[in-house]
Amino acid sequence: GAVVSQHPSWVICKSGTSVKIECRSLDFQATTMFWYRQFPKQSLMLMATSNEGSKATYEQGVEKDKFLINHASLTLSTLTVTSAHPEDSSFYICSAGQTKETQYFGPGTRLLVL
Amino acid sequence: AQKITQTQPGMFVQEKEAVTLDCTYDTSDQSYGLFWYKQPSSGEMIFLIYQGSYDEQNATEGRYSLNFQKARKSANLVISASQLGDSAMYFCAMTSTGGFKTIFGAGTRLFVKA
Repeated sequence: GAVVSQHPSWVICKSGTSVKIECRSLDFQATTMFWYRQFPKQSLMLMATSNEGSKATYEQGVEKDKFLINHASLTLSTLTVTSAHPEDSSFYICSAGQTKETQYFGPGTRLLVL
Repeated sequence: AQKITQTQPGMFVQEKEAVTLDCTYDTSDQSYGLFWYKQPSSGEMIFLIYQGSYDEQNATEGRYSLNFQKARKSANLVISASQLGDSAMYFCAMTSTGGFKTIFGAGTRLFVKA
């Protein structure tokens, strides 16, 4: 099946710094990618839809100025957590789809803000 | 609004036996897709099975089958011949018409006993 990678897999940062997470589709092009956040023992919550060449679409309650999304190419979307705080510590997962029937998830990025 | 409900926070099954994980959904869309994903402790999301709303036959993938009852809006996952490696979180998910946007249920943690 298709492969989606994320980098980094783990990041620890100080409060107030910004962290960039990359999501790449390795063997297919994705005009749309999705970013999810998962807190411990909870489900995946969709944060935003990343659209290649245009602005991301954010879900209700997600601050677009805090979670900057850039989808500069058909294989790369980035999520930047700006001025991270401890409450932003979470597991961030991206996904990309070739068709409605298939969604491939990245391995996730664990963010810990101290 | 769309919603996925998984009412079983945790399930136990004896190795080699079958187990059913429940999932009900709510949507006003006529065309939608239903998924099951497995999430082991590593965090990666592993696609298991897909059922389209217009598919007349229940989907099957190896030991996984989806019991789709459209009128009842249920999409239960049946795992046959459980294995120790099946111990994980299982998420039911749905995509809506026209896109890949996916919403997830709360998940069910499955424990397979030796």
